[in-house]
Amino acid sequence: DAGITQSPRHKVTETGTPVTLRCHQTENHRYMYWYRQDPGHGLRLIHYSYGVKDTDKGEVSDGYSVSRSKTEDFLLTLESATSSQTSVYFCAIGGDNTEAFFGQGTRLTVV
Amino acid sequence: KNQVEQSPQSLIILEGKNCTLQCNYTVSPFSNLRWYKQDTGRGPVSLTIMTFSENTKSNGRYTATLDADTKQSSLHITASQLSDSASYICVVNQGTGANNLFFGTGTRLTVIP
Repeated sequence: DAGITQSPRHKVTETGTPVTLRCHQTENHRYMYWYRQDPGHGLRLIHYSYGVKDTDKGEVSDGYSVSRSKTEDFLLTLESATSSQTSVYFCAIGGDNTEAFFGQGTRLTVV
Repeated sequence: KNQVEQSPQSLIILEGKNCTLQCNYTVSPFSNLRWYKQDTGRGPVSLTIMTFSENTKSNGRYTATLDADTKQSSLHITASQLSDSASYICVVNQGTGANNLFFGTGTRLTVIP
């Protein structure tokens, strides 16, 4: 799995609570991404990072924030979870003409 | 607008049969196109990569084709196996830099005995 670990793998949380998902890589890759995957939509980019402390928004960034204080860690935070954020979240590394490697995914359920 | 469209959305075939999945894209500029396989509950894994100058590339029973003029690609699976049941995602890469990947919504393939 190209040295990408997502945690937790599964989480159930209540509406309005904050949630943080973690992505850890051992590949020292510059670019990291957070996607969500929903039926009928495929993978949609939430946020991405092009270096430590350098992040930018993707197409579905509302309600999400990210941080990257170290090369190896990319955190995704839902400040106040909503039911519409129930999804499977994937972290990826790569881009820049290289293969994108994906983590195993985090299944988040907001009740 | 940069888009990647895949067809069919889903497909059911008998074990041992062949099938072809389609990918049409409008992404520009174009650097390469990858087909990913995503097993249920797992992240996508790359099967093949094709650059502008390549027409065909094989990976075992998987053969990808690319027509850069018409912006079409296909993934042909030969002698399907039950383990081929998965979603197949077409991803177009624009080139250098970040945020340059465009995803199709995938084709869900089910192989039945």
